[in-house]
Amino acid sequence: DAKTTQPNSMESNEEEPVHLPCNHSTISGTDYIHWYRQLPSQGPEYVIHGLTSNVNNRMASLAIAEDRKSSTLILHRATLRDAAVYYCILRDPTSGTYKYIFGTGTRLKVLA
Amino acid sequence: GAGVSQTPSNKVTEKGKYVELRCDPISGHTALYWYRQSLGQGPEFLIYFQGTGAADDSGLPNDRFFAVRPEGSVSTLKIQRTERGDSAVYLCASSLTLTPYNEQFFGPGTRLTVL
Repeated sequence: DAKTTQPNSMESNEEEPVHLPCNHSTISGTDYIHWYRQLPSQGPEYVIHGLTSNVNNRMASLAIAEDRKSSTLILHRATLRDAAVYYCILRDPTSGTYKYIFGTGTRLKVLA
Repeated sequence: GAGVSQTPSNKVTEKGKYVELRCDPISGHTALYWYRQSLGQGPEFLIYFQGTGAADDSGLPNDRFFAVRPEGSVSTLKIQRTERGDSAVYLCASSLTLTPYNEQFFGPGTRLTVL
Protein backbone atom coordinates (compact mmCIF):
# COMPACT_ATOMS: atom_id res chain seq x y z
CA ASP A 1 0.00 0.00 0.00
CA ALA A 2 1.07 3.57 -0.62
CA LYS A 3 1.93 4.83 2.82
CA THR A 4 1.86 8.38 4.11
CA THR A 5 3.11 9.48 7.50
CA GLN A 6 1.68 12.50 9.28
CA PRO A 7 1.91 13.82 12.84
CA ASN A 8 -1.09 12.79 14.91
CA SER A 9 -1.92 16.31 16.00
CA MET A 10 -0.88 19.94 15.70
CA GLU A 11 -1.96 23.21 17.24
CA SER A 12 -2.05 26.68 15.81
CA ASN A 13 -3.16 30.09 16.95
CA GLU A 14 -5.95 31.75 15.03
CA GLU A 15 -4.84 33.92 12.10
CA GLU A 16 -1.36 32.42 12.07
CA PRO A 17 0.01 30.23 9.27
CA VAL A 18 -0.02 26.46 9.68
CA HIS A 19 2.33 24.01 8.01
CA LEU A 20 1.08 20.43 7.97
CA PRO A 21 3.76 17.94 6.90
CA CYS A 22 3.39 14.60 5.15
CA ASN A 23 6.02 12.00 4.30
CA HIS A 24 5.38 9.72 1.33
CA SER A 25 8.72 8.13 0.55
CA THR A 26 7.20 5.30 -1.52
CA ILE A 27 5.42 7.59 -3.96
CA SER A 28 5.67 6.60 -7.60
CA GLY A 29 6.78 9.05 -10.24
CA THR A 30 3.37 9.68 -11.73
CA ASP A 31 1.15 9.80 -8.67
CA TYR A 32 -0.48 12.96 -7.45
CA ILE A 33 -0.45 13.95 -3.80
CA HIS A 34 -3.95 14.71 -2.54
CA TRP A 35 -5.03 16.49 0.62
CA TYR A 36 -8.46 16.22 2.16
CA ARG A 37 -9.81 17.45 5.46
CA GLN A 38 -12.62 16.17 7.62
CA LEU A 39 -14.59 18.47 9.87
CA PRO A 40 -16.34 16.91 12.87
CA SER A 41 -19.29 14.70 11.93
CA GLN A 42 -18.83 15.31 8.20
CA GLY A 43 -17.39 13.43 5.26
CA PRO A 44 -13.93 14.42 4.03
CA GLU A 45 -13.66 17.36 1.66
CA TYR A 46 -11.06 18.01 -1.00
CA VAL A 47 -8.42 20.63 -0.21
CA ILE A 48 -5.74 20.51 -2.89
CA HIS A 49 -3.61 18.20 -5.03
CA GLY A 50 -0.27 18.42 -6.79
CA LEU A 51 2.29 16.45 -8.77
CA THR A 52 5.64 18.23 -8.74
CA SER A 53 5.22 21.98 -8.64
CA ASN A 54 3.91 23.95 -5.72
CA VAL A 55 0.19 24.60 -5.99
CA ASN A 56 -2.11 27.30 -4.68
CA ASN A 57 -5.87 27.57 -4.46
CA ARG A 58 -8.37 29.54 -2.43
CA MET A 59 -8.13 27.14 0.49
CA ALA A 60 -4.44 26.42 0.82
CA SER A 61 -1.03 26.01 -0.74
CA LEU A 62 0.83 22.77 -1.31
CA ALA A 63 4.61 22.69 -1.23
CA ILE A 64 6.15 19.54 -2.71
CA ALA A 65 9.74 18.54 -2.05
CA GLU A 66 11.99 18.27 -5.06
CA ASP A 67 12.37 14.50 -4.58
CA ARG A 68 8.59 14.24 -4.00
CA LYS A 69 9.09 12.18 -0.86
CA SER A 70 7.36 14.76 1.27
CA SER A 71 4.92 17.62 1.02
CA THR A 72 3.53 20.37 3.21
CA LEU A 73 0.03 21.75 3.27
CA ILE A 74 0.05 25.43 4.15
CA LEU A 75 -2.94 27.25 5.57
CA HIS A 76 -1.94 30.88 5.35
CA ARG A 77 -4.17 32.19 8.12
CA ALA A 78 -5.81 29.58 10.28
CA THR A 79 -9.36 30.20 11.42
CA LEU A 80 -11.45 28.32 13.96
CA ARG A 81 -13.30 26.74 11.02
CA ASP A 82 -10.06 25.11 9.88
CA ALA A 83 -10.05 22.83 12.93
CA ALA A 84 -10.30 19.39 11.34
CA VAL A 85 -8.40 16.20 10.58
CA TYR A 86 -6.17 16.67 7.54
CA TYR A 87 -5.32 13.68 5.37
CA CYS A 88 -2.53 13.38 2.87
CA ILE A 89 -3.36 10.50 0.51
CA LEU A 90 -1.89 8.68 -2.44
CA ARG A 91 -3.14 6.21 -4.96
CA ASP A 92 -2.14 2.64 -4.13
CA PRO A 93 0.63 1.92 -6.64
CA THR A 94 0.39 -1.85 -6.26
CA SER A 95 -3.24 -2.07 -7.28
CA GLY A 96 -2.96 -0.54 -10.73
CA THR A 97 -6.34 1.04 -10.06
CA TYR A 98 -7.67 4.27 -8.57
CA LYS A 99 -7.72 2.90 -5.04
CA TYR A 100 -6.71 5.57 -2.52
CA ILE A 101 -5.19 4.95 0.89
CA PHE A 102 -5.96 7.24 3.83
CA GLY A 103 -3.78 7.22 6.92
CA THR A 104 -4.86 8.45 10.34
CA GLY A 105 -4.27 12.09 9.41
CA THR A 106 -3.29 15.13 11.49
CA ARG A 107 -5.83 16.59 13.88
CA LEU A 108 -5.43 20.36 13.75
CA LYS A 109 -6.54 22.36 16.74
CA VAL A 110 -6.90 26.11 16.26
CA LEU A 111 -6.68 28.26 19.36
CA ALA A 112 -8.64 31.50 19.60
CA GLY B 1 -26.07 21.83 -6.92
CA ALA B 2 -26.86 18.71 -4.94
CA GLY B 3 -23.95 16.89 -3.41
CA VAL B 4 -23.55 13.22 -2.59
CA SER B 5 -26.34 11.96 -0.40
CA GLN B 6 -26.46 8.83 1.72
CA THR B 7 -29.39 7.13 3.36
CA PRO B 8 -30.11 6.36 6.07
CA SER B 9 -27.97 8.73 8.10
CA ASN B 10 -28.10 6.31 11.02
CA LYS B 11 -28.86 2.62 11.11
CA VAL B 12 -29.12 0.48 14.22
CA THR B 13 -29.44 -3.24 13.72
CA GLU B 14 -29.01 -6.46 15.60
CA LYS B 15 -26.19 -8.92 15.13
CA GLY B 16 -26.99 -11.33 12.32
CA LYS B 17 -29.34 -9.04 10.43
CA TYR B 18 -29.01 -7.84 6.83
CA VAL B 19 -28.58 -4.14 6.02
CA GLU B 20 -28.49 -2.02 2.90
CA LEU B 21 -26.85 1.38 2.71
CA ARG B 22 -27.64 3.68 -0.20
CA CYS B 23 -25.52 6.28 -1.97
CA ASP B 24 -26.74 8.87 -4.48
CA PRO B 25 -23.73 10.37 -6.24
CA ILE B 26 -23.52 13.73 -7.93
CA SER B 27 -25.36 13.55 -11.24
CA GLY B 28 -23.04 12.71 -14.11
CA HIS B 29 -20.23 11.37 -11.96
CA THR B 30 -19.01 8.10 -13.40
CA ALA B 31 -16.88 6.93 -10.49
CA LEU B 32 -18.25 5.98 -7.08
CA TYR B 33 -16.31 4.92 -4.00
CA TRP B 34 -17.24 3.28 -0.71
CA TYR B 35 -15.14 3.68 2.43
CA ARG B 36 -15.55 2.59 6.03
CA GLN B 37 -14.38 4.74 8.92
CA SER B 38 -13.98 3.50 12.47
CA LEU B 39 -13.65 5.88 15.39
CA GLY B 40 -10.32 7.68 15.40
CA GLN B 41 -9.23 6.18 12.09
CA GLY B 42 -9.05 7.49 8.56
CA PRO B 43 -11.43 6.23 5.89
CA GLU B 44 -10.65 2.67 4.80
CA PHE B 45 -11.17 1.85 1.12
CA LEU B 46 -13.78 -0.81 0.37
CA ILE B 47 -14.65 -0.71 -3.33
CA TYR B 48 -15.01 1.60 -6.26
CA PHE B 49 -17.09 1.55 -9.43
CA GLN B 50 -16.45 2.95 -12.85
CA GLY B 51 -19.91 3.11 -14.36
CA THR B 52 -21.78 -0.06 -13.49
CA GLY B 53 -18.78 -2.28 -12.92
CA ALA B 54 -16.73 -2.74 -9.78
CA ALA B 55 -13.22 -1.76 -10.83
CA ASP B 56 -11.56 -2.67 -7.54
CA ASP B 57 -13.28 -4.50 -4.68
CA SER B 58 -10.10 -5.48 -2.88
CA GLY B 59 -11.08 -3.57 0.25
CA LEU B 60 -14.24 -5.54 0.98
CA PRO B 61 -13.39 -7.37 4.21
CA ASN B 62 -15.16 -10.64 3.43
CA ASP B 63 -17.98 -12.17 1.43
CA ARG B 64 -20.64 -10.74 3.75
CA PHE B 65 -20.07 -7.40 2.05
CA PHE B 66 -21.34 -6.72 -1.44
CA ALA B 67 -22.02 -3.56 -3.45
CA VAL B 68 -23.91 -2.87 -6.64
CA ARG B 69 -24.42 0.01 -9.02
CA PRO B 70 -26.79 -1.43 -11.61
CA GLU B 71 -27.50 1.70 -13.66
CA GLY B 72 -24.25 3.53 -13.12
CA SER B 73 -25.65 6.07 -10.70
CA VAL B 74 -27.10 5.03 -7.32
CA SER B 75 -25.13 2.41 -5.42
CA THR B 76 -26.10 0.11 -2.58
CA LEU B 77 -23.70 -1.46 -0.09
CA LYS B 78 -25.13 -4.66 1.29
CA ILE B 79 -23.96 -6.36 4.47
CA GLN B 80 -25.20 -9.82 5.37
CA ARG B 81 -25.15 -11.41 8.82
CA THR B 82 -23.92 -8.23 10.45
CA GLU B 83 -21.40 -8.46 13.26
CA ARG B 84 -20.60 -5.98 16.02
CA GLY B 85 -17.27 -5.29 14.34
CA ASP B 86 -19.12 -3.91 11.32
CA SER B 87 -20.15 -0.89 13.36
CA ALA B 88 -18.63 2.17 11.70
CA VAL B 89 -19.44 5.16 9.53
CA TYR B 90 -19.79 4.12 5.90
CA LEU B 91 -18.80 6.88 3.50
CA CYS B 92 -19.60 7.19 -0.16
CA ALA B 93 -17.77 9.47 -2.60
CA SER B 94 -18.14 10.21 -6.28
CA SER B 95 -15.90 11.78 -8.88
CA LEU B 96 -16.57 13.04 -12.37
CA THR B 97 -14.11 10.69 -14.02
CA LEU B 98 -11.16 8.55 -13.08
CA THR B 99 -7.88 10.37 -13.55
CA PRO B 100 -4.78 10.55 -11.33
CA TYR B 101 -5.91 13.97 -10.17
CA ASN B 102 -9.64 13.42 -9.78
CA GLU B 103 -11.34 15.08 -6.82
CA GLN B 104 -13.66 12.93 -4.76
CA PHE B 105 -16.83 14.45 -3.34
CA PHE B 106 -17.90 12.74 -0.14
CA GLY B 107 -21.32 12.26 1.34
CA PRO B 108 -22.06 12.73 5.04
CA GLY B 109 -21.91 9.00 5.72
CA THR B 110 -24.18 6.40 7.27
CA ARG B 111 -23.46 5.51 10.87
CA LEU B 112 -24.07 1.80 11.31
CA THR B 113 -24.41 0.38 14.80
CA VAL B 114 -24.67 -3.37 15.26
CA LEU B 115 -25.95 -4.37 18.69
